[in-house]
Amino acid sequence: KAGVTQTPRYLIKTRGQQVTLSCSPISGHRSVSWYQQTPGQGLQFLFEYFSETQRNKGNFPGRFSGRQFSNSRSEMNVSTLELGDSALYLCASSPLSQGQETQYFGPGTRLLVL
Amino acid sequence: AQSVTQPDIHITVSEGASLELRCNYSYGATPYLFWYVQSPGQGLQLLLKYFSGDTLVQGIKGFEAEFKRSQSSFNLRKPSVHWSDAAEYFCAVGGSNYKLTFGKGTLLTVNP
Repeated sequence: KAGVTQTPRYLIKTRGQQVTLSCSPISGHRSVSWYQQTPGQGLQFLFEYFSETQRNKGNFPGRFSGRQFSNSRSEMNVSTLELGDSALYLCASSPLSQGQETQYFGPGTRLLVL
Repeated sequence: AQSVTQPDIHITVSEGASLELRCNYSYGATPYLFWYVQSPGQGLQLLLKYFSGDTLVQGIKGFEAEFKRSQSSFNLRKPSVHWSDAAEYFCAVGGSNYKLTFGKGTLLTVNP
């Protein structure tokens, strides 16, 4: 099976712009989670989707949003970018609908905000 | 609230030496525990996981970890380190809330 894919892999934006990142889960996986990784804060949970519904959300401002499509693909959007949004954004997919199951991570999208 | 502590930010070992990376967690219910590894510029690769049962779990690349409920620990071990093991290692705890909480990571350097 192909792994989790994320596009684009690298992105440069300027402050105030918005950005959309895409994630395609492993075939058959219906849960998609997003994480932000920075040197200062480490890996932080953004949100998780299952069957197009957000089931959990981390402590991020409303500028960070996401959605999931009927084919389980997911996008996350960051509006009004700030310098501090520069990070590696990781997507993970998981097969089960309930409880905790292993999350498989993609290679990430590295976002640089200038 | 769930949390993970990895006390060692950076560890250096010689190739062929044994390795133990420490992880302590805090979780109010039965934890699901994971170790992931990340090479520079890459995503996270799962090394091993503990959900229930035998408290000593085997993973890929010769790694193993032991769950000790009394100590709230899930330490990662490898008997003989290879130069290719140099990377950053993350311990994570999850539960029924669909999210993983990660430690800050331990950077492993392997000397030839």
